[in-house]
Amino acid sequence: KAGVTQTPRYLIKTRGQQVTLSCSPISGHRSVSWYQQTPGQGLQFLFEYFSETQRNKGNFPGRFSGRQFSNSRSEMNVSTLELGDSALYLCASSLGTGGLTEAFFGQGTRLTVV
Amino acid sequence: QKEVEQDPGPLSVPEGAIVSLNCTYSNSAFQYFMWYRQYSRKGPELLMYTYSSGNKEDGRFTAQVDKSSKYISLFIRDSQPSDSATYLCAMSTAGGTSYGKLTFGQGTILTVHP
Repeated sequence: KAGVTQTPRYLIKTRGQQVTLSCSPISGHRSVSWYQQTPGQGLQFLFEYFSETQRNKGNFPGRFSGRQFSNSRSEMNVSTLELGDSALYLCASSLGTGGLTEAFFGQGTRLTVV
Repeated sequence: QKEVEQDPGPLSVPEGAIVSLNCTYSNSAFQYFMWYRQYSRKGPELLMYTYSSGNKEDGRFTAQVDKSSKYISLFIRDSQPSDSATYLCAMSTAGGTSYGKLTFGQGTILTVHP
């Protein structure tokens, strides 16, 4: 069974640019969550999508957005990049229904803003 | 004060030792508890998942949850150098506005030396 796939693995962008990250969940999983991981703040929740709808959102500015497609693949977009956006961006895949919340993470996309 | 507190370590133990990792939390609504292992430059890997107080064992790993004290632990028996990683505790409430959201501790860096 294939795991969670994130692309690209590494990105270098210039301040002010925008970036799109992609996440393909485990087959059959309909929920995709996104997290930002930094040494200072640890793992912080960005948002969650289920069946193409955003169900939950963390405390990040509107520059951070996402979407989910009918095949459950998800993209995350960051506009007007700032130096502080440099981080490891992780997506997590789960069934998203019932009481189970086991979440499986991808390898992450390491974004560097220069 | 953070919702989830985890001693960042670092923790260094000899091979074969029993390792105890701990987290405390303040939100009594947390019902699901997880432990993840994260190797350098990799995504978090789910080790243990539980939703009730008590112990859960899986091989060399035992997860313990004490909801009355808001305290969770992960024990690693017969630790191996390959266990050297950052260990993250994570928690979630049930459904509703918490969909897809895991709240993480800061992570404990563990080194097992031969």
